[in-house]
Amino acid sequence: QVQLQQWGAGLLKPSETLSLTCAVYGGSFSGYYWSWIRQPPGKGLEWIGEINRSGSTNYHPSLKGRVTISVDTSKNQLSLKLNSVTAADTAVYYCRVAGGVLDYWGQGTLVTVSS
Amino acid sequence: ETTLTQSPAFMSATPGDKVNISCKASQDIDDDMNWYQQKPGEAAILIIQEASTLVPGIPPRFSGSGYGTDFTLTINNIESEDAAYYFCLQHDNFPYTFGQGTKLEIK
Repeated sequence: QVQLQQWGAGLLKPSETLSLTCAVYGGSFSGYYWSWIRQPPGKGLEWIGEINRSGSTNYHPSLKGRVTISVDTSKNQLSLKLNSVTAADTAVYYCRVAGGVLDYWGQGTLVTVSS
Repeated sequence: ETTLTQSPAFMSATPGDKVNISCKASQDIDDDMNWYQQKPGEAAILIIQEASTLVPGIPPRFSGSGYGTDFTLTINNIESEDAAYYFCLQHDNFPYTFGQGTKLEIK
């Protein structure tokens, strides 16, 4: 049974750095695509970016310059860092690992940015 | 950026009904469309990939169709356990984008 477990700070002040980690249990996914997605309150899902099996990244243009996605395949862990957060970054953040017919999501982590 | 227009945003159905959920892309995305189901407090699960391929383990009452810009998720003979939030994802071009989602209520 594959499970994705997420953790990280849930309350941030404006200008701080959002940092989340996602660990995958129950399988090895070194050859897959790892990504982060978020959903602001009352809004739709937004793709943040992904890192592929070769370590190449793609980010949403609106977040480029502030976001870094990395993966430690030896630990099956994905990380997200988002700098200089504002209230607009308040959202539930999801991690996802996918490849072929396999597509697994975490349950989400609510991150609130408030002064 | 490819915009996905998903409809309806909310629908109510009775067990045994057939429902269709639409996702229209603002540009041609071939068959690079996935459909997901998410229940409150749970992780999203992939139910249809590449527009029409049913994921192993998903009941055959779920089906997907479409190519290019128009896509449909169909649920036949709805059951109470199908109450959930459904959304589409295009993975044809970056940035990947999502439909706004459909909340399906079972009466």
